[in-house]
Parts: sequence; structure tokens; C-alpha cells
Amino acid sequence: AQSVTQLDSQVPVFEEAPVELRCNYSSSVSVYLFWYVQYPNQGLQLLLKYLSGSTLVKGINGFEAEFNKSQTSFHLRKPSVHISDTAEYFCAVSGSGSEKLVFGKGTKLTVNP
Amino acid sequence: ETGVTQTPRHLVMGMTNKKSLKCEQHLGHNAMYWYKQSAKKPLELMFVYNFKEQTENNSVPSRFSPECPNSSHLFLHLHTLQPEDSALYLCASSHQRADTQYFGPGTRLTVL
Repeated sequence: AQSVTQLDSQVPVFEEAPVELRCNYSSSVSVYLFWYVQYPNQGLQLLLKYLSGSTLVKGINGFEAEFNKSQTSFHLRKPSVHISDTAEYFCAVSGSGSEKLVFGKGTKLTVNP
Repeated sequence: ETGVTQTPRHLVMGMTNKKSLKCEQHLGHNAMYWYKQSAKKPLELMFVYNFKEQTENNSVPSRFSPECPNSSHLFLHLHTLQPEDSALYLCASSHQRADTQYFGPGTRLTVL
């Protein structure tokens, strides 16, 4: 079985500052990893995913994440955030070949002017 | 319409009511999912359908009854719900069972 830990429930940052949202996972099998974003009153939108290959994954809106197998982490980063990045971010993991996505509890990113 | 749509977006119902949530995907996918999102808790997978066949029931109470008449439509029939069932119900679809899932906007359900 897989599990996901998002270490920070809330992250406040100032506009144009860099941000890192942390995600650690546990699994006994090979995994696929995902980051989703949820804007207020909306569903989840896929930001990026790691299935295989390069450990540095680039997604939409200038976000990127790095898969670190030894540290079982998949942290999300953006070098310069905008007010519009204010949202809740969810890390998710599935065993490769499984349809079961296991989500973390989410991290609320608030970008202040 | 594109992507995954859900109706209604908001629903308020009493504990004795019967209502249904509808999900439609316009992506040509073969797998569809229901999730429950409650405050302060991770998203919980409820049901999975693959080619109209239910492949996962994650110990969901029988007051929630899913229906998948075809690969594009998914329903969640609700009856005699409890106040703790109030949540955001999200539908998702994927091309195949283990592929990337794409989510709808959700139905915000309030049970009085």
C-alpha cells in the first residue's frame, strides 16, 4: 500500500518569492507521482506527473518537481510565485499499474502582495 | 463542453431525500471514479468503473449507489444520507485504469 505525507498544511509566501511544497511517500512497489492544484470552488487540475525517465519534471504554470527515490520525496517548486498561484496543492501516488490514487492532505499556498 | 463535467454544482438535501449526482466526460476515457473530499481529510476514493464495470468499492456505505450506464457517464445515487456525508464529491476519468486521472469541478453536497 502507498501513503503520502505533505509536511506543511499551510505555506504563506510573498509574491515573486520562490516556494517549495514538500511531499514524501511510502510504497513497497514502483510508483507514479502526481501534483494537483485546486483553486477555490473548483475541482483538481493536474500540474505535473512523474511516471518514469528524467527525475526532474516540468509542469504547467512554471512549476516543477523532482523525484528523489532515495529520499522518497517529490517536492514541488516554483522560482517566483504570483498572486494567482494561491490555491491548495495535493501530492498523490499510485503503484505503477494501479488505478488507486492515494492523496496527501494538501498544502494551502497563500501568496501575499 | 470539454473535459469532465458534473451536475449539479451545489446540492442541499434532507436526510430522507433521494437525489443523484451526474458526471460526464468528453475525453473518450474508459475508466471513471468517484471521490469524496471532506474538510481536513485527504481525498477518499469511493468507486472505480472500468468499461462500465465496477472494479472498486472502497467500503462505501450502501446509502451511496453508483451507476455507470456507459463509459461517458457516471452517476451517484444518494438516499437517507447523514450530515457527515456533507462534502465535495469529485468525479474523475482516465483513459485506462492506471492512467492519469482528470477531475471534474465537483458537487458541493450539504445534508441537513
